[in-house]
Amino acid sequence: DAMVIQNPRYQVTQFGKPVTLSCSQTLNHNVMYWYQQKSSQAPKLLFHYYDKDFNNEADTPDNFQSRRPNTSFCFLDIRSPGLGDAAMYLCATSRVLDGGSYNEQFFGPGTRLTVL
Amino acid sequence: AQSVTQLGSHVSVSEGALVLLRCNYSSSVPPYLFWYVQYPNQGLQLLLKYTSAATLVKGINGFEAEFKKSETSFHLTKPSAHMSDAAEYFCAVGHRGSTLGRLYFGRGTQLTVWP
Repeated sequence: DAMVIQNPRYQVTQFGKPVTLSCSQTLNHNVMYWYQQKSSQAPKLLFHYYDKDFNNEADTPDNFQSRRPNTSFCFLDIRSPGLGDAAMYLCATSRVLDGGSYNEQFFGPGTRLTVL
Repeated sequence: AQSVTQLGSHVSVSEGALVLLRCNYSSSVPPYLFWYVQYPNQGLQLLLKYTSAATLVKGINGFEAEFKKSETSFHLTKPSAHMSDAAEYFCAVGHRGSTLGRLYFGRGTQLTVWP
């Protein structure tokens, strides 16, 4: 089945120790998104890639970076995790056509990050 | 600009009772509307979507929602709650012509189902 895969499902890191979260997709979607979701809150968009074009949200801290080496993979790098970065990180994909689409996003299962 | 308001951060119902989760949106252009469900430690799963066809939309697990333009609402309903419906529900709005496919999420409603 076509899907969005996130690894690992649970990640524990130490304060200030860089961490990378991984997302892959078999849907061949051209847009990939990274969201941060804290407990009992809505997902907050951090950034997304439209093909190779990177789009950063204005309020995303510089501590968060992303890479998309090819259509299938996208990575979230947290350079120096703080305690406030502990959250669920969700990857999503979408097929966006020229002129727009109906914006349905497909989500992975998420990576829960713990910062000690 | 687009925004979503979900009235009631927590809703509790008895098993077999009607489920009603409220969603109001604000959009300067014709919207696309979505309901997603999230179970603990899981990603978001699409329940249903409105994309300008029928205003009454049927989704998975017996849920449905009605798009009411005059009320700018897209409330989610289910005639008879099941224990397995207990989860967090998110309403989201996008809009046609968005080349970036951006969605705006509500704050979520936690549904509790009592036996």
